[in-house]
Amino acid sequence: GENVEQHPSTLSVQEGDSAVIKCTYSDSASNYFPWYKQELGKRPQLIIDIRSNVGEKKDQRIAVTLNKTAKHFSLHITETQPEDSAVYFCAAPLGVDTGRRALTFGSGTRLQVQP
Amino acid sequence: SAVISQKPSRDICQRGTSLTIQCQVDSQVTMMFWYRQQPGQSLTLIATANQGSEATYESGFVIDKFPISRPNLTFSTLTVSNMSPEDSSIYLCSVATYNEQFFGPGTRLTVL
Repeated sequence: GENVEQHPSTLSVQEGDSAVIKCTYSDSASNYFPWYKQELGKRPQLIIDIRSNVGEKKDQRIAVTLNKTAKHFSLHITETQPEDSAVYFCAAPLGVDTGRRALTFGSGTRLQVQP
Repeated sequence: SAVISQKPSRDICQRGTSLTIQCQVDSQVTMMFWYRQQPGQSLTLIATANQGSEATYESGFVIDKFPISRPNLTFSTLTVSNMSPEDSSIYLCSVATYNEQFFGPGTRLTVL
């Protein structure tokens, strides 16, 4: 099955700076890579995703890039704001070849945006 | 996106007892999943709840400990049986629409 590794585990930036979180995956057949934001005491919220037929996707201050050759994908947050402070999780399908649509998650990155 | 609710939102239970968590979705969905999130940790898939058949469990999770029901396409339950303090976690149900997956608000379980 798929294995996802995520780095860094914590990230502290100044307000207005950019933040980058990276994930690697093991299954070359994986075709869908979502990112979730989890605020303290809340459920994980899907913030952006990318499918394997594109290399980059943007949504306002958030972007995700995908390098299929290297099997890694990254979350980029520009012009960070204090409300971006949360734990971010990357994920990938547990088993594309077996049609399993459940997700396996990275270990999470705690982002702190200092005002 | 689907609207997902869970009951209870939190509970404190004694070891050796069982708790059943309910998950309700506002639309029919084929795929429903149960995840566990231990304190300060990532999400781990417990099982896939299949409508009309037995759930599919991940390695490390067994039906006797985490029995699951899926009587229809909008509802599922997860029971945490014979609880121990190690079962203290947040339990989240999730549904998949096409490839996107959305989570319920979670049930925060504390076992004393």
